Amino acid sequence: GAVVSQHPSWVICKSGTSVKIECRSLDFQATTMFWYRQFPKQSLMLMATSNEGSKATYEQGVEKDKFLINHASLTLSTLTVTSAHPEDSSFYICSASRSGTGGETQYFGPGTRLLVL
Amino acid sequence: GENVEQHPSTLSVQEGDSAVIKCTYSDSASNYFPWYKQELGKGPQLIIDIRSNVGEKKDQRIAVTLNKTAKHFSLHITETQPEDSAVYFCAASPFNRGTYKYIFGTGTRLKVLA
Repeated sequence: GAVVSQHPSWVICKSGTSVKIECRSLDFQATTMFWYRQFPKQSLMLMATSNEGSKATYEQGVEKDKFLINHASLTLSTLTVTSAHPEDSSFYICSASRSGTGGETQYFGPGTRLLVL
Repeated sequence: GENVEQHPSTLSVQEGDSAVIKCTYSDSASNYFPWYKQELGKGPQLIIDIRSNVGEKKDQRIAVTLNKTAKHFSLHITETQPEDSAVYFCAASPFNRGTYKYIFGTGTRLKVLA
């Protein structure tokens, strides 16, 4: 159990275009999902917390108009990178929070590698 | 806010030996500590976790210990195998602050030499 999928697994796009990444919790409902960005050989950097039915909470320094997040259902959150530029190239990972005895645990998706030309 | 330090940044061990990775945290409100394994090009995978009301937890070759007084927790891998080679991240989370955000350590690159 606790499977999270992401689509696409990798994407190449031209500078100026927008890219949408989907994150799905396949076997549980997730009120809260998280979006991370990871540069090579670095730790995970939290971009935003996505709550079903409400606006996402962005971390300091993350442009909300640049990285649009929608959490329309308990199993789906999307991240749209608008007007992508080469500096947006990165590994984007989502996680979904699952309730269990004693608290919440985050389960991660396989990640999406974005390359902006 | 919370800060998590992780050591060492790289660790090489011979197959069959043990590996220990240590993390310290700063926020005494943190009460949940998961460990993740990340293989190249993949998302992090939860391997073990511990909550603040427990001092030690074990799952086959993997164990985690927590010292709340000293604010540190450690991952222990025994009888290491080549497939244990990966990057390991610790994290801390203060549930009682109304958020489930994790603060991650900087990661440890473990290499198990055959």
